Amino acid sequence: SAVISQKPSRDICQRGTSLTIQCQVDSQVTMMFWYRQQPGQSLTLIATANQGSEATYESGFVIDKFPISRPNLTFSTLTVSNMSPEDSSIYLCSVGWDRAYNEQFFGPGTRLTVL
Amino acid sequence: AQSVTQLDSHVSVSEGTPVLLRCNYSSSYSPSLFWYVQHPNKGLQLLLKYTSAATLVKGINGFEAEFKKSETSFHLTKPSAHMSDAAEYFCVVSDLNNFNKFYFGSGTKLNVKP
Repeated sequence: SAVISQKPSRDICQRGTSLTIQCQVDSQVTMMFWYRQQPGQSLTLIATANQGSEATYESGFVIDKFPISRPNLTFSTLTVSNMSPEDSSIYLCSVGWDRAYNEQFFGPGTRLTVL
Repeated sequence: AQSVTQLDSHVSVSEGTPVLLRCNYSSSYSPSLFWYVQHPNKGLQLLLKYTSAATLVKGINGFEAEFKKSETSFHLTKPSAHMSDAAEYFCVVSDLNNFNKFYFGSGTKLNVKP
């Protein structure tokens, strides 16, 4: 397993602004992912954060809205850009070690409210 | 394409009675299947996982699930519910041929009555 931290744990933001969420893991991991959980909904994969290259986005999510960085094997950031109230969600990062193991551990999440 | 259907959005049981949370999956390849639990204002916790070994999988807190390929099901059960089991449960499908992406079901909220 791994200890995963996210900062901030929650925030209230004004529409039109941007927020960067950090995900830190206490050990090197192969895979990092970002998810969104809208109020009362399930989790939806936003993108796979690739170390040293551009993230791989799922259908319906674009880099201009959700830029992602992954400078090393223990850290990633997700930015929610030009926010609107519809972006109010919990954003979670998850990590995994290798394809054969195929298990993910989730961070505690960042609860974002956009006014 | 992969997908997961959780057949019940809400399940209510009395403490001490059995729990059954239903999950059906669709996957083009040999899937890995997971159950996660999310307590209110808490993070996601892995309950159990199936990765092509034994079809009956035992997890934490007395939960277990059985992989039935012929029925494309992976239902979660527990013989006796406890008040602390009240939470939301998510069934998840993944496969190695799809870069380990997780696809979540819509979730089932379990209510346990005293």
